[in-house]
Amino acid sequence: DIQMTQSPSSLSASVGDRVTITCQASQDISNYLNWYQQKPGKAPKLLIYDASNLETGVPSRFSGSGSGTDFTFTISSLQPEDIATYYCQQYDNLLTFTFGPGTKVDIK
Amino acid sequence: EVQLVQSGAEVKKPGESLKISCKGSGYSFTSYWIGWVRQMPGKGLEWMGIIYPGDSDTRYSPSFQGQVTISADKSISTAYLQWSSLKASDTAMYYCVRHSQGAFDIWGQGTMVTVSS
Repeated sequence: DIQMTQSPSSLSASVGDRVTITCQASQDISNYLNWYQQKPGKAPKLLIYDASNLETGVPSRFSGSGSGTDFTFTISSLQPEDIATYYCQQYDNLLTFTFGPGTKVDIK
Repeated sequence: EVQLVQSGAEVKKPGESLKISCKGSGYSFTSYWIGWVRQMPGKGLEWMGIIYPGDSDTRYSPSFQGQVTISADKSISTAYLQWSSLKASDTAMYYCVRHSQGAFDIWGQGTMVTVSS
């Protein structure tokens, strides 16, 4: 089984700050990596697919990069509405999926 | 509008059975896999399994194999998640999701299942 780790588990940043979250896979997953945002009390929402592709309608301050085992998710300028927990998720050709443990983002 | 609409919250006793539903609309229901994701209170997301409504091909996470049953009725564009004997540890929010090229691009609103004696 592929295991996913994320760091940090939580962070506090000021409005306008650049925020970076990392996600690591236990083995090479190419670019089979997605990022989701879950606001409190809401269903998650897809932000980034295949490591670096912005889902339609998602603001351009969100971005993703990486391949293989190491991936990065960035918010270029943190906004109050970005308060949420962010999850990475890997998939494979056998249709199995694993989520990372999540990173909770707060405003300082 | 593409959407998945789930059935309402449930409160059950341990040992009872349950089937929750997820109705797709605004797209070809038989052309996309539908998955289920569990979120226990205050915890992260866990993939449970996935079904292709076109032919009912179903895959389960090893963690949930034998614990739940996923099914679909393509005639009414609805997927299901069921338990034969609920446990207190099944208390969680359950989301259905549409799978598109590796990602879960559409999420249902969630169904809260509470199991308590």
